[in-house]
Amino acid sequence: DAKTTQPPSMDCAEGRAANLPCNHSTISGNEYVYWYRQIHSQGPQYIIHGLKNNETNEMASLIITEDRKSSTLILPHATLRDTAVYYCIVILGGTSYGKLTFGQGTILTVHP
Amino acid sequence: DARVTQTPRHKVTEMGQEVTMRCQPILGHNTVFWYRQTMMQGLELLAYFRNRAPLDDSGMPKDRFSAEMPDATLATLKIQPSEPRDSAVYFCASALRQGGQPQHFGDGTRLSIL
Repeated sequence: DAKTTQPPSMDCAEGRAANLPCNHSTISGNEYVYWYRQIHSQGPQYIIHGLKNNETNEMASLIITEDRKSSTLILPHATLRDTAVYYCIVILGGTSYGKLTFGQGTILTVHP
Repeated sequence: DARVTQTPRHKVTEMGQEVTMRCQPILGHNTVFWYRQTMMQGLELLAYFRNRAPLDDSGMPKDRFSAEMPDATLATLKIQPSEPRDSAVYFCASALRQGGQPQHFGDGTRLSIL
């Protein structure tokens, strides 16, 4: 699975959009991009995933560059409850086919 | 919303005791994963099952750990005998084996071995 690089920490004001970048320059054609987050004392929470196209769901939007070498997770209106560690994961065939490997992630702090 | 349910949420026991952790996957999911999370090692895959058959348990210490799926609605992870180094949070996740389908995690069992 391709390696990912994320900034170690980011801040965001409540109510503003949070844009979390992820670099995956060695991604291959069949590798999906997944985003999870982990709030303290809880299990990792699935947010969104994509292969080639941009995706949106009730939680977030995922923007994947045309060359697929990087992506951005967008939380459109961040709240204090969005404070968490966010993980970008690239995995061949999707997560149902094998283990998830979480890197260091980005600690997002949403402040009032 | 459908959820993965894990019991117990917390367990404190003495070294040498048997520990059993249980997981109820999301109904209809045919793939179940067991992970362990510690501050030092992060999230590690211990084992996973598809259609109740073990596919990979290479991450699990075989001498003391065992994982089973007695039926499609129950997965168990046992440690016997337990040791202080087994103290960690143990997560279960389930997924439907189709291209792109995500793993969904339970809230874990926080295990402390004294």
